Amino acid sequence: DTGVSQDPRHKITKRGQNVTFRCDPISEHNRLYWYRQTLGQGPEFLTYFQNEAQLEKSRLLSDRFSAERPKGSFSTLEIQRTEQGDSAMYLCASSPDLAGGLREQFFGPGTRLTVL
Amino acid sequence: KNQVEQSPQSLIILEGKNCTLQCNYTVSPFSNLRWYKQDTGRGPVSLTIMTFSENTKSNGRYTATLDADTKQSSLHITASQLSDSASYICVVSARMDSSYKLIFGSGTRLLVRP
Repeated sequence: DTGVSQDPRHKITKRGQNVTFRCDPISEHNRLYWYRQTLGQGPEFLTYFQNEAQLEKSRLLSDRFSAERPKGSFSTLEIQRTEQGDSAMYLCASSPDLAGGLREQFFGPGTRLTVL
Repeated sequence: KNQVEQSPQSLIILEGKNCTLQCNYTVSPFSNLRWYKQDTGRGPVSLTIMTFSENTKSNGRYTATLDADTKQSSLHITASQLSDSASYICVVSARMDSSYKLIFGSGTRLLVRP
């Protein structure tokens, strides 16, 4: 395992459908993050996990969004009743559980969601 | 409000030339500043991380500077290559409550032409 992987890389769906994305972090990284990135913008924080515990959720994460990390390894991000405004790149990142603020986040390649 | 602003928004240079990208931030309390490179359709990759006490750090042809007094950073790319074409994102880490938050800039899109 040499990096963070995400699946699928691309997803096209119709408005109103549910979608689920998967993220596999770097082995032994305790922290896992989800971000959303729209065209021409930097990533925006959605939520993060330490092991299986979801410790923080952004206001961007409406009740249509849910994230899980049931065994503290891979994570899923589900969007229910998708809207066209959900079209974006969804990035996952992981980091080791080090003290202090210098823990580096390693990003996956992202899942590009297009809602028609 | 915690913000990270980058300039220029986009830049075109010829292969072999140097360029400098700028980042201004209004983030407090400051923990560290990072520069990421993001190729089109890929996730960001870290280039440098600098703390308050560091004012320059190099990674190959990339050199980042930090002026914590004026809250400015720059990323200098030397002898550009076609593979340098990407977005460069400035990210500031802030200590908030018991955790650290990353605040991302919108990026500078660099195109290196032959």
